[in-house]
Amino acid sequence: EIVMTQSPATLSVSPGERATLSCRASQSVSSNLAWYQQKPGQAPRLLIYGASTRATGIPARFSGSGSGTEFTLTISSLQSEDFAVYYCQQYNNWPPGGTFGQGTKVEIK
Amino acid sequence: EVQLVESGGGLVKPGGSLRLSCAASGFTFSSYSMNWVRQAPGKGLEWVSSISSSSSYIYYADSVKGRFTISRDNAKNSLYLQMNSLRAEDTAVYYCARERIQQRGAFDIWGQGTMVTVSS
Repeated sequence: EIVMTQSPATLSVSPGERATLSCRASQSVSSNLAWYQQKPGQAPRLLIYGASTRATGIPARFSGSGSGTEFTLTISSLQSEDFAVYYCQQYNNWPPGGTFGQGTKVEIK
Repeated sequence: EVQLVESGGGLVKPGGSLRLSCAASGFTFSSYSMNWVRQAPGKGLEWVSSISSSSSYIYYADSVKGRFTISRDNAKNSLYLQMNSLRAEDTAVYYCARERIQQRGAFDIWGQGTMVTVSS
């Protein structure tokens, strides 16, 4: 099983600042990687797929990069609505199911 | 509006059964593979099961294989998860999720979730 490791576990950022979240795969997943945002009490929302393609309706301040085993989600200027937990997910060996990272919580500094 | 609405969650005793449903609207349900993903309280996301658009291909996580059964009814735009022999570790919010047609394995639409609690 491919293990996804996200860092840091918690990121404290001030509104308007840049946030950089990392995700590492235990083996190459090519570009078969997605990022999701989850706010308390809500379902996850797809932000990025194919490592760098924004999903429909996602603001341009969200960007994804990387391939192979190292990936990054960047939020260029944090807005109040961006404070949430972010998960990466690999789906390189799909089907069957892909695996999620443990999440990074982005909190207000 | 594209929407998924789950139902059927609740409190069940260990060893018991529960059937979850997911009603889809706003898109051509029969064109998409569908999935169940769960999240234990305070924990991360875990993929549970997948079913192809015509039910030809079905997959399960090892943690639920032999106990859970996924199915769908395209005429009713509905997805189901029959859960048997439930354990305490199955306690979670269960989400149904639509799988992208391209970039298979990425989930672009999620329901609001339904809570399943397994406890005596």
